[in-house]
Amino acid sequence: GAGVSQTPSNKVTEKGKYVELRCDPISGHTALYWYRQSLGQGPEFLIYFQGTGAADDSGLPNDRFFAVRPEGSVSTLKIQRTERGDSAVYLCASSFPLDRGGTDTQYFGPGTRLTVL
Amino acid sequence: GQQVMQIPQYQHVQEGEDFTTYCNSSTTLSNIQWYKQRPGGHPVFLIQLVKSGEVKKQKRLTFQFGEAKKNSSLHITATQTTDVGTYFCAGKKSAGGTSYGKLTFGQGTILTVHP
Repeated sequence: GAGVSQTPSNKVTEKGKYVELRCDPISGHTALYWYRQSLGQGPEFLIYFQGTGAADDSGLPNDRFFAVRPEGSVSTLKIQRTERGDSAVYLCASSFPLDRGGTDTQYFGPGTRLTVL
Repeated sequence: GQQVMQIPQYQHVQEGEDFTTYCNSSTTLSNIQWYKQRPGGHPVFLIQLVKSGEVKKQKRLTFQFGEAKKNSSLHITATQTTDVGTYFCAGKKSAGGTSYGKLTFGQGTILTVHP
């Protein structure tokens, strides 16, 4: 596609519920990243994929957070037993790495604003 | 862990004045990227700096990467109201052999421009 897309754009849920956030990267981008941005802060890294595998998940705050990218394209971020502190904008980015002939620039999607009541 | 500090947090200028934001990393970076985020929007890529001492210009914007690859700056000449937004630097840590990986963002500088 023309850019990174994310759905839904807004998600309101109740504490304790399960949510899934979807990211569709730029076509051909092999690397995909998830970040979380709280109000007034810069994006914080959560996890990134190279192809289907999670190359670095060191930013996931705890085991309630999990992400998959089964076919190396679309990714889903899954949050179990949501807490109020999970409220934030979840951003997805994709890139075409240098060692694959790309520029390694990360292009961000519009984000999903998650509100946990 | 790696930290990226950015100052100032806020900058209010009159239209036509210059603006500079500074970024400092606690570790040597392989590259640094700059993004602009408008209110309610998402980070939009501006530029990437890779080489020690590199200077790049985009119209009224000048980006610099320090000799030690630990600091960077963005300077806007003669600000316009369209420059309003939050400017973030984001560093990629040096790690031998890898060309991709997480970005560590600074806290951002919020720029407001009064007409």
